[in-house]
Amino acid sequence: AQSVAQPEDQVNVAEGNPLTVKCTYSVSGNPYLFWYVQYPNRGLQFLLKYITGDNLVKGSYGFEAEFNKSQTSFHLKKPSALVSDSALYFCAVRDVPNDYKLSFGAGTTVTVRA
Amino acid sequence: NAGVTQTPKFQVLKTGQSMTLQCAQDMNHEYMSWYRQDPGMGLRLIHYSVGAGITDQGEVPNGYNVSRSTTEDFPLRLLSAAPSQTSVYFCASSYSRFYANTGELFFGEGSRLTVL
Repeated sequence: AQSVAQPEDQVNVAEGNPLTVKCTYSVSGNPYLFWYVQYPNRGLQFLLKYITGDNLVKGSYGFEAEFNKSQTSFHLKKPSALVSDSALYFCAVRDVPNDYKLSFGAGTTVTVRA
Repeated sequence: NAGVTQTPKFQVLKTGQSMTLQCAQDMNHEYMSWYRQDPGMGLRLIHYSVGAGITDQGEVPNGYNVSRSTTEDFPLRLLSAAPSQTSVYFCASSYSRFYANTGELFFGEGSRLTVL
């Protein structure tokens, strides 16, 4: 069974500092990995995905994520955080044979202080 | 562009009542789905549809029904509401079943349901 874990409920950083949101996964086959962001009282927005190819993927709003197969991780990163990055971030994984079902992590709340 | 529209945004029900959460998209998306979001549990797939007339169960389908009579609409019906169904419900759509598989979903703004 596929699963994803986000070990940190909250991440707090100062504006301008690097931001990292951690995600680890468990699948039986090759993973499809995703990051979504949810702003208050809004739906989720797709940020980026890893399907195959380069381990470093770039997405919206200056975010990037690194796929590490040996560590089964897919951490989200941003070199310089903005106050407007404060939101709830979800990692999700899909095990290739498991059609349409994305398994979401519990989410990490990011707070960027000015 | 309206995108994915959900109604109502808020609803309070009593145990045993039934209701329908509406979802409409104006992007001609083939794939539509319903998720529920509960604190500390992420999102869980309830039902999904890969086209008009085709629906299937997700991870937590019990207590919910869906239908897809048109490409645009995908209503979620609660047959007999229970307190365990208190949650935030999200409708999500995708251009095609392929893009749904690659995770690129468009979400509505959510419907907050409380069952007393």
